[in-house]
Amino acid sequence: DTEVTQTPKHLVMGMTNKKSLKCEQHMGHRAMYWYKQKAKKPPELMFVYSYEKLSINESVPSRFSPECPNSSLLNLHLHALQPEDSALYLCASSPTGYEQYFGPGTRLTVT
Amino acid sequence: GEDVEQSLFLSVREGDSSVINCTYTDSSSTYLYWYKQEPGAGLQLLTYIFSNMDMKQDQRLTVLLNKKDKHLSLRIADTQTGDSAIYFCAGSGGYQKVTFGIGTKLQVIP
Repeated sequence: DTEVTQTPKHLVMGMTNKKSLKCEQHMGHRAMYWYKQKAKKPPELMFVYSYEKLSINESVPSRFSPECPNSSLLNLHLHALQPEDSALYLCASSPTGYEQYFGPGTRLTVT
Repeated sequence: GEDVEQSLFLSVREGDSSVINCTYTDSSSTYLYWYKQEPGAGLQLLTYIFSNMDMKQDQRLTVLLNKKDKHLSLRIADTQTGDSAIYFCAGSGGYQKVTFGIGTKLQVIP
C-alpha cells in the first residue's frame, strides 16, 4: 500500500457542528502532517506528528484538534468552525521528515 | 525562514518542452522539491533533489539546481495535455517543514 487516504472526500458542516477528518497511511511513515489549502494558494502547515507525538503546531485555533491514535492514523477534529475555515484539508506523511506524500484531501465547506 | 518564488503562469504547445523556474532564499535547504497539483486533487511529489546535486533526470522530467544563484528549474520534455496542472516548487525550510512557492499554472495547448 503506497498511498495516503483521506475521508471524507467532501464535508459540509454548520458552525455549531462537530465533525472529524480522517487520514490513513500504511507505508510505515512515522511523520504525519495536516495542511490547509485555500483556493489559488499553496498549502499552509497546521500540525506535524512525529512518532505519534505532536511536534509542531503552527498556532492553529483550538477549534481544530488533531489526534494521532496510532502510527497509521491521523484525525483532525473540528468544532465551532467559521465560514473562513472552508478550504481543502490535506494530509501528508513522510518516511524521513523531508519528502512528503500527500493524500487527495477533504474539501470542507462551513455554512 | 525560507522564501520560495516562482512565476504564476506558463503556456506551452503540446509536444514542446516546458521549463518552470523557481528561486529560493535559504541556502541551507537540504532538499528541493517539485509537486504537481491537478484541479481538486492533492499534491503529487514529482521529484526532489538533494542540495549537493546539480541535476536529476527522471523519464521526461529534468531538475536543474544552481546553488550559486539559488535557482531551481523543472523541465518537462514532450509536454502532454495531462501535464496541465499547478506546479509547486518547495524547499525544506527545516526538519519536518516544507516551504512552498505560490505555484505555477501550466497550460498545455493541444
